[in-house]
Amino acid sequence: GIQVEQSPPDLILQEGANSTLRCNFSDSVNNLQWFHQNPWGQLINLFYIPSGTKQNGRLSATTVATERYSLLYISSSQTTDSGVYFCAVGSTGANSKLTFGKGITLSVRP
Amino acid sequence: DTGVSQNPRHKITKRGQNVTFRCDPISEHNRLYWYRQTLGQGPEFLTYFQNEAQLEKSRLLSDRFSAERPKGSFSTLEIQRTEQGDSAMYLCASSLDVAAHNSPLHFGNGTRLTVT
Repeated sequence: GIQVEQSPPDLILQEGANSTLRCNFSDSVNNLQWFHQNPWGQLINLFYIPSGTKQNGRLSATTVATERYSLLYISSSQTTDSGVYFCAVGSTGANSKLTFGKGITLSVRP
Repeated sequence: DTGVSQNPRHKITKRGQNVTFRCDPISEHNRLYWYRQTLGQGPEFLTYFQNEAQLEKSRLLSDRFSAERPKGSFSTLEIQRTEQGDSAMYLCASSLDVAAHNSPLHFGNGTRLTVT
């Protein structure tokens, strides 16, 4: 099956700093989503982005499908951004299973 | 839109017992998914439904696991003869499939199962 690798595995930032989270995948995808899992375990959908660039407030994401990677940018980080960020990809059919990476643990310190 | 609802939030059971979890998806969503997450890992796909039809099952889903979505609305996941290795967070998600186009997945808060 498709492999998803996220990097770095852990990231510590000072509040106000910017960061880039990377997701590499091993096959063509027609579905790519970024999620944030907060310290209480809730998974929040950040972006549905199989290609192109999207922005939502301080967050933005870019997927270059032909080169099999996606990037999540966090600007002016806040302590509430702490948690685990997952990239998930789907390669067969519409809305069939998403394969998740192992996640990137982000800690934003005040 | 009240989001995806899962019950119970926590379940502690003894090895060998059966357990059942319920998921209520976002009301207009026709696709429903079950995932399992263990500590330090990303969610792993178990199964999904398009309306009431179960369209795909992971090899992770042993014969002890069964899922239903009888009227295309809520779903149940049953685990029979639980084992300690079944301890995990069980997550339900839903999405709206329109003309076979992908759409964002929305997760519930999960049911944390502990098998003693």
